[in-house]
Amino acid sequence: NAGVTQTPKFQVLKTGQSMTLQCAQDMNHEYMSWYRQDPGMGLRLIHYSVGAGITDQGEVPNGYNVSRSTTEDFPLRLLSAAPSQTSVYFCASSQLPWARGVYFGPGTRLTVL
Amino acid sequence: SQQGEEDPQALSIQEGENATMNCSYKTSINNLQWYRQNSGRGLVHLILIRSNEREKHSGRLRVTLDTSKKSSSLLITASRAADTASYFCATQYNNNDMRFGAGTRLTVKP
Repeated sequence: NAGVTQTPKFQVLKTGQSMTLQCAQDMNHEYMSWYRQDPGMGLRLIHYSVGAGITDQGEVPNGYNVSRSTTEDFPLRLLSAAPSQTSVYFCASSQLPWARGVYFGPGTRLTVL
Repeated sequence: SQQGEEDPQALSIQEGENATMNCSYKTSINNLQWYRQNSGRGLVHLILIRSNEREKHSGRLRVTLDTSKKSSSLLITASRAADTASYFCATQYNNNDMRFGAGTRLTVKP
């Protein structure tokens, strides 16, 4: 298994541009989520999903959209990038019910100029 | 905020010593998890303890959970320089929401 994969690894955007961060998992996990990690802070939950067609907002959802059309994929869309969205983004997945921990992707480092 | 809070923010010890990190949270949880993150890398799951469990062991790791005090501790025994990393607790709630604390930065000096 490849586990949780994220693309791209690095991205630079200009303010106002839009883009999609890709996340895929091959473990047939129901639960998938997106976090952002800023310097000196823990991870903050942006959006999560407990299955195909089901998404919900986390702690910091503004400026981001998600969809879950398949079990495997959970893309994160930045609608109009702002410098405040400069961060490292992690995608994660897990089985439900929670029996084990969450598997994290390697992260995407995003800079918005 | 529902998220866990780690204490201390930073910890520096000598190789061979034990390291203890604490996590507190505010509302009832389904489980609590500890993760490790090496500098510039993703998070790696260490251990999960359910709300009806009080203690779990995994190798040199020992986790306790006190639901009455809404707190957990992570003990790393006989620490090694390779244990140097940031350690995060994550609390998981009934609605499958999972929140992370800001982490404890552990430095183990050789």
